[in-house]
Amino acid sequence: QQNVQQSPESLIVPEGARTSLNCTFSDSASQYFWWYRQHSGKAPKALMSIFSNGEKEEGRFTIHLNKASLHFSLHIRDSQPSDSALYLCAVTGGYKVVFGSGTRLLVSP
Amino acid sequence: NAGVIQTPRHKVTGKGQEATLWCEPISGHSAVFWYRQTIVQGLEFLTYFRNQAPIDDSGMPKERFSAQMPNQSHSTLKIQSTQPQDSAVYLCASSSPGGADAEQFFGPGTRLTVL
Repeated sequence: QQNVQQSPESLIVPEGARTSLNCTFSDSASQYFWWYRQHSGKAPKALMSIFSNGEKEEGRFTIHLNKASLHFSLHIRDSQPSDSALYLCAVTGGYKVVFGSGTRLLVSP
Repeated sequence: NAGVIQTPRHKVTGKGQEATLWCEPISGHSAVFWYRQTIVQGLEFLTYFRNQAPIDDSGMPKERFSAQMPNQSHSTLKIQSTQPQDSAVYLCASSSPGGADAEQFFGPGTRLTVL
């Protein structure tokens, strides 16, 4: 049974700061690793994904994956108030997606 | 492309009443998922359809919850004898073709409140 945990539960950072969000998983056979973002009252929307060890950068966002450590993370460079949202990590194996409970990020102007 | 459509957006029921939630997936997507989201439990998987066939309902509370997908353009989630603990946002998502690398596209959700 896949167990996905996120830390921290919530985070407040000043505008322009670098933000780091963490996710651990339990099933070493997991295939794809995702970050979704959910603004208040809106649907979750995929930010980016990775499937092999290492890092992947898209704009201000970077995802790191270390399968041996059962850990991946999302780093946001130059955080903006518009980045304030609930961030959900997700791990997939086959069709099944297991989401973490989320990190609530607030970027203060 | 209108995205995933869910109706109604809000539903209030009395304890013991029935609630039916509707989802229209993105045209051409063969995989449809239902989730329940609460502050306490987070985003919980309920059930999954592929090409309209039920594949996995392991997250569904067995006795009062049921889901169907009668055609490729809509799916329903029915909750009988609703209880206050069923209050949550119910999210529908679709993807194509439903593999591990497939992004899930979520609808706006139905907020169910059971009084």
